[in-house]
Amino acid sequence: AQSVTQLDSQVPVFEEAPVELRCNYSSSVSVYLFWYVQYPNQGLQLLLKYLSGSTLVKGINGFEAEFNKSQTSFHLRKPSVHISDTAEYFCAVTSYSGAGSYQLTFGKGTKLSVIP
Amino acid sequence: KAGVTQTPRYLIKTRGQQVTLSCSPISGHRSVSWYQQTPGQGLQFLFEYFSETQRNKGNFPGRFSGRQFSNSRSEMNVSTLELGDSALYLCASSPSLGGNTEAFFGQGTRLTVV
Repeated sequence: AQSVTQLDSQVPVFEEAPVELRCNYSSSVSVYLFWYVQYPNQGLQLLLKYLSGSTLVKGINGFEAEFNKSQTSFHLRKPSVHISDTAEYFCAVTSYSGAGSYQLTFGKGTKLSVIP
Repeated sequence: KAGVTQTPRYLIKTRGQQVTLSCSPISGHRSVSWYQQTPGQGLQFLFEYFSETQRNKGNFPGRFSGRQFSNSRSEMNVSTLELGDSALYLCASSPSLGGNTEAFFGQGTRLTVV
């Protein structure tokens, strides 16, 4: 089974500064990788996904992530954060669980706090 | 298009009771998955249903069960509630099975067991 490690549980950053949220996954033959965002008292919203092709993936709200197969990483970046980016961010990977079904495995999450 | 709808949003139950949570997927989506989210354990997979059949189950006791109806709506049931079952329960729908398919999440049901 896959596992996902988000190295930082909390990341404070000043408004308009760049941010990187780190994610590593256990290796597999092929993976599909996702970043989701969760605002307080809300469900999860997809930010971006890597399925194949270009290793640099662009998502919503100015976020991007780079897939690095050799380092089994999928770090999320934003060049300039806003107050509205304050939320919890989850990295996730799918793994085949048999009978044509895939299971989405999440990391523990990183709480991003943007400081005015 | 309406999103994933979960009802109720908040629920308070007493230890030992049972509870049923409901999830209406996005129209046309046939796959529904359930997750439990707690501060300590994070997001943990409960089960997945596709075309009324349970396709996958996480590592939870038998007190946790679910079902899916012909219109793809899903329910999950927790019997003999324990304090540790207090959590945010999230439902996600997808148009099909497949690891490359995006999961769309509802806002969740916040269950508190007292």
